[in-house]
Amino acid sequence: ELKVEQNPLFLSMQEGKNYTIYCNYSTTSDRLYWYRQDPGKSLESLFVLLSNGAVKQEGRLMASLDTKARLSTLHITAAVHDLSATYFCAVDGSGGGADGLTFGKGTHLIIQP
Amino acid sequence: DSGVTQTPKHLITATGQRVTLRCSPRSGDLSVYWYQQSLDQGLQFLIQYYNGEERAKGNILERFSAQQFPDLHSELNLSSLELGDSALYFCASSRPRVAIGTGELFFGEGSRLTVL
Repeated sequence: ELKVEQNPLFLSMQEGKNYTIYCNYSTTSDRLYWYRQDPGKSLESLFVLLSNGAVKQEGRLMASLDTKARLSTLHITAAVHDLSATYFCAVDGSGGGADGLTFGKGTHLIIQP
Repeated sequence: DSGVTQTPKHLITATGQRVTLRCSPRSGDLSVYWYQQSLDQGLQFLIQYYNGEERAKGNILERFSAQQFPDLHSELNLSSLELGDSALYFCASSRPRVAIGTGELFFGEGSRLTVL
């Protein structure tokens, strides 16, 4: 069974600080996805990482993928309040042998002034 | 706006009842996925349809069923509802990965089901 583990699950940090969210997964996959969800809202795609060593950056967020270590990181630089949300990583494989994503439990991020 | 449309946005019903949730995928997307999100279980994959055919099943209860119609919209039917079925149900769609897709899923706004 494919497992996707994120840590931490909850993170409270101050504006201006840097932090990293980690995503480990149990299967061989060269594709990993990061999503953002605001409370009660839909999931918004942030990054699609399609190969080992892939790095993508958007504003204060940067995601990377190490397929050999089965690890992806989401790094937050100089956090601002607007980045408060829940962040999910997801890996190929719904467990049914078909297209689809298996999600981690999410990291609930609160950024305080 | 992801382009995926879900209705209804909110639904309140009683235990034992049956409801139908509807999803229209993005234009050009052949795959539709249903996910359930609850506080204790997180995001759980329920079922996937591809071009009208069931392609994968996840943690879907026998009381739940789905289908995808020729126009590619999908419906998720939930019957004999229990209190524990209260959750946010998301539909997502994607392009065929083998062809031009990256496997990225695009999510609708969700249908919030409350069972009383």
